Amino acid sequence: SQTIHQWPATLVQPVGSPLSLECTVEGTSNPNLYWYRQAAGRGLQLLFYSVGIGQISSEVPQNLSASRPQDRQFILSSKKLLLSDSGFYLCAWGQGTEAFFGQGTRLTVV
Amino acid sequence: AQKVTQAQTEISVVEKEDVTLDCVYETRDTTYYLFWYKQPPSGELVFLIRRNSFDEQNEISGRYSWNFQKSTSSFNFTITASQVVDSAVYFCALSERDNFNKFYFGSGTKLNVKP
Repeated sequence: SQTIHQWPATLVQPVGSPLSLECTVEGTSNPNLYWYRQAAGRGLQLLFYSVGIGQISSEVPQNLSASRPQDRQFILSSKKLLLSDSGFYLCAWGQGTEAFFGQGTRLTVV
Repeated sequence: AQKVTQAQTEISVVEKEDVTLDCVYETRDTTYYLFWYKQPPSGELVFLIRRNSFDEQNEISGRYSWNFQKSTSSFNFTITASQVVDSAVYFCALSERDNFNKFYFGSGTKLNVKP
């Protein structure tokens, strides 16, 4: 069966520090992969999606970047975090018409 | 452009009351899917239902029911005889033919069910 792993679950980082959130999928090949962010009290916004290794599409301009170094690995990064980067980050993978979400990472930038 | 609107930011009901969560969407595509997800306090998204644009039949699953009306671009969700465990944030979402896994979410409705 397919599973999605996302870590860490919670993270507190100072402003200006780098960020790396990792997401891996098991049990499937060549999945579409996604990063969503939920700011406090707001809905989920699509940040990046990838349909293959090295292929990244950005939905909104921001301080973050994404990379897909392997078929089932999707990384969200920042060189210097801003306070506004705080939020709940969800990784997802898709197959057919369905999307499956990870457990999320709650990032607090202080 | 794609857009999902959940006008109800927060709803509070007393246990055993029925409650309807509204969802209105916009899309130019004729082939699309609509979804409802539940987000408990732990944060993960729990899939509730998927509906394709060609199937307007209403669906019932236990205490949950969904009303899809293309004429009004609405996909409303009703919980009958609500329970405290139903307390959560509920998201409506839309995906389209060019990328079915790319979801456009509403801002969510926080449901508080009080004992």
